[in-house]
Amino acid sequence: QVQLQQSGPGLVKPSQTLFLTCDISGDSVSSNRAAWNWFRQSPSRGLEWLGRTHFRSKWFHEYAQSVKSRIIINPDTSKNQFSLQLRSVTPEDTAVYYCALSNGPGWFDPWGQGTLVTVSS
Amino acid sequence: DIVMTQSPDSLAVSLGERATINCKSSQSVLYSSNKKNYLAWYQQKPGQPPKVIIYWASTRESGVPDRFSGSGSGTDFTLTISSLQAEDVAVYYCQQYYDTPSSFGQGTKLEIK
Repeated sequence: QVQLQQSGPGLVKPSQTLFLTCDISGDSVSSNRAAWNWFRQSPSRGLEWLGRTHFRSKWFHEYAQSVKSRIIINPDTSKNQFSLQLRSVTPEDTAVYYCALSNGPGWFDPWGQGTLVTVSS
Repeated sequence: DIVMTQSPDSLAVSLGERATINCKSSQSVLYSSNKKNYLAWYQQKPGQPPKVIIYWASTRESGVPDRFSGSGSGTDFTLTISSLQAEDVAVYYCQQYYDTPSSFGQGTKLEIK
């Protein structure tokens, strides 16, 4: 049974970089069946998919157009985790951030516990 | 991008009564080659992440009570709770995984009347 555990700061200053990690247990970040995703949820934007990384003989990365210029999702095979970097944050990036697994076609299960990230000076 | 629209935004139903939530996609999420609808439903309770309860539009996730059912095809889908229980109070979301980016409806808040 796969479990995802998120970590990272809950407060980030404007213009700085948001950095979160998602530790994986019960599966491998290098799995050929899995995709590792990041989402955020806020009252103004609802549930928003931010991007994913997955391994299919090589690493692939896909990002939402809304954050494409500012986001990096990286796997770390040595720690069996993946991370989210979001650069140049503004208060509009304040949200609960989630990591999640998708197998095959693309529903998301399980999810991490969520991290409330507030962008404020 | 595919836009998912749910109705209603909120719903109050008496215990033991039926609850019905609708979801409409801006384009079909039915994949013609396998005749599958790439549509899932989630339940989210306060302070928790979303939990998938239905996928392929009508397949219940393991452990989900059979009072939950999904129906529909193409662009119009329905989540039905046949007999509302107190533990079903939550926000419900539909999600399409037919295309990238995956997208969610705005959510329907289900409460007890």
